[in-house]
Amino acid sequence: ETGVTQSPTHLIKTRGQQVTLRCSSQSGHNTVSWYQQALGQGPQFIFQYYREEENGRGNFPPRFSGLQFPNYSSELNVNALELDDSALYLCASRIGLAGQETQYFGPGTRLLVL
Amino acid sequence: KNEVEQSPQNLTAQEGEFITINCSYSVGISALHWLQQHPGGGIVSLFMLSSGKKKHGRLIATINIQEKHSSLHITASHPRDSAVYICAGATGNQFYFGTGTSLTVIP
Repeated sequence: ETGVTQSPTHLIKTRGQQVTLRCSSQSGHNTVSWYQQALGQGPQFIFQYYREEENGRGNFPPRFSGLQFPNYSSELNVNALELDDSALYLCASRIGLAGQETQYFGPGTRLLVL
Repeated sequence: KNEVEQSPQNLTAQEGEFITINCSYSVGISALHWLQQHPGGGIVSLFMLSSGKKKHGRLIATINIQEKHSSLHITASHPRDSAVYICAGATGNQFYFGTGTSLTVIP
């Protein structure tokens, strides 16, 4: 148990729809990162939030957006879903910004876009 | 070319064998993480290294900062070690992940 939960566990959407994925971090973890992991690939960094502000972003288009809330929960929103968005979406939380702190991963949300 | 490369991609071992997974990185990092991912997706952090060596049970992780190389060793491997092992380089605001090594340990 990492103390990080995600919902839903599985989700099926159709192309063009919008989706919101949720993550609840460990208390006190003010940094949350979101990753996309396609089948057979390593995770790809989407973005990171620190104290409710985005402070880093990978190579993902603006239709991927996020929010972080004061209660250590966060959301990943994806608009205009495409077939290639089908993947496992992982959130990970840690204390502080520096990469030397351990990240705690949630179990992921598996999204299928038809 | 990825910022973090792992080898091998797939590995099958007999129970009891000594296993080594290698990771090389080309970016400046503050720490190197080894992660374990089981079928179904859940990721567990095994080690975080910025220098030297760490040991936890049958797992040993080493890092050579000058050569930008890290290894994960599993001694006396067991079928429950079967998983995907991922190394990730950490910078200030993001992680660069390798594509993972899929390990299968046969009884």
